[in-house]
Amino acid sequence: AQKITQTQPGMFVQEKEAVTLDCTYDTSDPSYGLFWYKQPSSGEMIFLIYQGSYDQQNATEGRYSLNFQKARKSANLVISASQLGDSAMYFCAMRTTGGGNKLTFGTGTQLKVEL
Amino acid sequence: DAMVIQNPRYQVTQFGKPVTLSCSQTLNHNVMYWYQQKSSQAPKLLFHYYDKDFNNEADTPDNFQSRRPNTSFCFLDIRSPGLGDAAMYLCATSNGWTGSKEQFFGPGTRLTVL
Repeated sequence: AQKITQTQPGMFVQEKEAVTLDCTYDTSDPSYGLFWYKQPSSGEMIFLIYQGSYDQQNATEGRYSLNFQKARKSANLVISASQLGDSAMYFCAMRTTGGGNKLTFGTGTQLKVEL
Repeated sequence: DAMVIQNPRYQVTQFGKPVTLSCSQTLNHNVMYWYQQKSSQAPKLLFHYYDKDFNNEADTPDNFQSRRPNTSFCFLDIRSPGLGDAAMYLCATSNGWTGSKEQFFGPGTRLTVL
């Protein structure tokens, strides 16, 4: 069975600072993908970044980077230069080959960016 | 722009009165998903279609049904809504099973049951 754990229910960060949102996962499948989604208060889930289990380098997408530590089964999201518009709920999710393309989500981290 | 559209954005229904939520997509993706997301919780997959093949999650209540008449549209039918069915319902699509195929989500329909 797949499991995603996000241990930070809420985080605060000051504008222009960097912030790390934690995510650990558990799977016995050697092939898997890790996703981060942002969900503003409007409700839509916005895809941010993807990391494959066989990828050699950490994924980056603009201000988002994924700190992938395979041996520790962690896939933390780093947001650099935080902006007020980054305030939202952030979900880590995992897809495994054995599970088709079904995503297993963590419980999310509510990020609040302050002036 | 290609996208996933959900109608209505807000739906109010009465206890026990059937309700249908709609999802359409212009991405021409072959997989469509329905998720239920209750307040402050993670999205929970209800079922998905791979083309016309319907796949129900084991713990999805019988009260929830789905139809996919064509590639573009998918409907969620709640036959007899209970108070516990009040939630955000998210539709998503993806293009196939494997690789870095992220799911594209619609804006959601927030269902209130009175």
